[in-house]
Amino acid sequence: RKEVEQDPGPFNVPEGATVAFNCTYSNSASQSFFWYRQDCRKEPKLLMSVYSSGNEDGRFTAQLNRASQYISLLIRDSKLSDSATYLCVVTALGEEYGNKLVFGAGTILRVKS
Amino acid sequence: DGGITQSPKYLFRKEGQNVTLSCEQNLNHDAMYWYRQDPGQGLRLIYYSQIVNDFQKGDIAEGYSVSREKKESFPLTVTSAQKNPTAFYLCASSIPPGQGLNTEAFFGQGTRLTVV
Repeated sequence: RKEVEQDPGPFNVPEGATVAFNCTYSNSASQSFFWYRQDCRKEPKLLMSVYSSGNEDGRFTAQLNRASQYISLLIRDSKLSDSATYLCVVTALGEEYGNKLVFGAGTILRVKS
Repeated sequence: DGGITQSPKYLFRKEGQNVTLSCEQNLNHDAMYWYRQDPGQGLRLIYYSQIVNDFQKGDIAEGYSVSREKKESFPLTVTSAQKNPTAFYLCASSIPPGQGLNTEAFFGQGTRLTVV
């Protein structure tokens, strides 16, 4: 089982739609969780951290479900500029995992007019 | 300004040559990482380092080597043993995982390596 798994998509949605991505992780000891955005041929950039209580930043909402070991990202009122690849990142702790950041393979979002 | 810098942005290598990619950060981060990304694919971990003079292999370390002689620097050498080195290489740094919640990674702009 991969340490971090995401649906690769692509998710093709019209402008104004609401879209949600999930990401599952295998290491129950993981402490920190993040969503990154990567534009074509660019480096990933932090979109938001994911806290146990959930957090919201404008049109973006992130949730963490420790019991089921998944995090989610909800994007409301999608814009054309939201088109990108969204990467889920989890810290992997312990000798078995090596104390490192683990990236999912990413979910492609395409917002169309 | 604090940040992480990779150089060069584009690099061309002849088959059989070793090349070294530079990564420097002034964020005072202990942890540094090298990832490889192929077109349409996710990031794959090559090597990572949690502290100076120590580093660990990632998932695809074969054909690569690193050093961590200074906190600020984590150069990656792509050796002739790497059979398919053409890819986008990304360097990142962070506070080491497990040392708090603000352990997000900051990335350099990447190096595109092409074998000619």
